[in-house]
Amino acid sequence: RKEVEQDPGPFNVPEGATVAFNCTYSNSASQSFFWYRQDCRKEPKLLMSVYSSGNEDGRFTAQLNRASQYISLLIRDSKLSDSATYLCVVIANAGNNRKLIWGLGTSLAVNP
Amino acid sequence: EPEVTQTPSHQVTQMGQEVILRCVPISNHLYFYWYRQILGQKVEFLVSFYNNEISEKSEIFDDQFSVERPDGSNFTLKIRSTKLEDSAMYFCASSPRGSGYTFGSGTRLTVV
Repeated sequence: RKEVEQDPGPFNVPEGATVAFNCTYSNSASQSFFWYRQDCRKEPKLLMSVYSSGNEDGRFTAQLNRASQYISLLIRDSKLSDSATYLCVVIANAGNNRKLIWGLGTSLAVNP
Repeated sequence: EPEVTQTPSHQVTQMGQEVILRCVPISNHLYFYWYRQILGQKVEFLVSFYNNEISEKSEIFDDQFSVERPDGSNFTLKIRSTKLEDSAMYFCASSPRGSGYTFGSGTRLTVV
């Protein structure tokens, strides 16, 4: 099983749609979880952290299910500007080090 | 907002040549990282650096790679003898505490 796995998509949705992405991770000891957004040929940018209790930021909601080892991202009322690749990132402790483990990303295209 | 600065934005080099990719992390950050992303593939961890030494490196980070913090501000990645497969986007990141990463805009390395 891959360390972090995402459906690569692409997800093609109309403006205003609600879209959800899932991400599974293999290391049950993983401690921190994030969603990053990456525009074509640009650097990844932090979208939001994912907390055990779930968290919401405007149109974006992230949830964590530790028992099933997956995290999700829900985007409501999608905008054209939401078109990007969404990267699931998991932090695993390795001794005193913490490193980011990246998913391949899920591509979203929001169409007018 | 503080940012991580990377130069150059694009570097073209001949196979077998040495390249140095430069990064200026955020000034009060203590942890520094290099990641790379081959076109169409996921972001991959290369190396983390803390307290003036490498704290962790991946299997990608072999003897042809080295990192340095030559002064109080720069953090460099050197690739000694570039191969075609080293062509990728190289992202530098810094963090104040080992989490809360800020990425630079990347250096696109093209080996010909």
